[in-house]
Amino acid sequence: AQSVTQLDSQVPVFEEAPVELRCNYSSSVSVYLFWYVQYPNQGLQLLLKYLSGSTLVESINGFEAEFNKSQTSFHLRKPSVHISDTAEYFCAVSPSGGSYIPTFGRGTSLIVHP
Amino acid sequence: DGGITQSPKYLFRKEGQNVTLSCEQNLNHDAMYWYRQDPGQGLRLIYYSQIVNDFQKGDIAEGYSVSREKKESFPLTVTSAQKNPTAFYLCASSIGTSGRGTQYFGPGTRLLVL
Repeated sequence: AQSVTQLDSQVPVFEEAPVELRCNYSSSVSVYLFWYVQYPNQGLQLLLKYLSGSTLVESINGFEAEFNKSQTSFHLRKPSVHISDTAEYFCAVSPSGGSYIPTFGRGTSLIVHP
Repeated sequence: DGGITQSPKYLFRKEGQNVTLSCEQNLNHDAMYWYRQDPGQGLRLIYYSQIVNDFQKGDIAEGYSVSREKKESFPLTVTSAQKNPTAFYLCASSIGTSGRGTQYFGPGTRLLVL
């Protein structure tokens, strides 16, 4: 079984400032890691994912996340946020073998102020 | 365009009433899922299905039922046994049963109790 902890339920930040959303996980097996974004009253969309290879993964809209195996973390970062980044962000993990069902964190609400 | 559709967008349930939430996908995905989302609790898995005519209970299946008669369709019934059904319900699908797969989400149905 695996678990996901998103340490911050809410992260307020000013526009053009950098941001980091934290995600830690625990698992007895190797995992795949995902970040999803949810805009108000919508479903979730994949932002980026780590399957293998380079531990730094990037999205098309400037977000990046780094897989740190020793710290069991997959923090999401953006060097300069925009008002349109205001959304709920979910970290998720899936085991690399056996049950394929992902486990989601409780979410972090990113609130970007002008 | 391929995607997942959920209907209705809003649904009202009276006491003692069963209601059914629709989920359809044209992505040709094998696996489908139902999640319940409550504020601050992230996504909790209700049911999932890997193939037609087969489905498994998730973490919070009590008070819910599903069917998978067609690959494209995975309706969820909220029965009168579910005493606290007010929530945002999300349907998702993935291409296969590997943990590597991205989950694709529908826009959600918000269920309210009258």
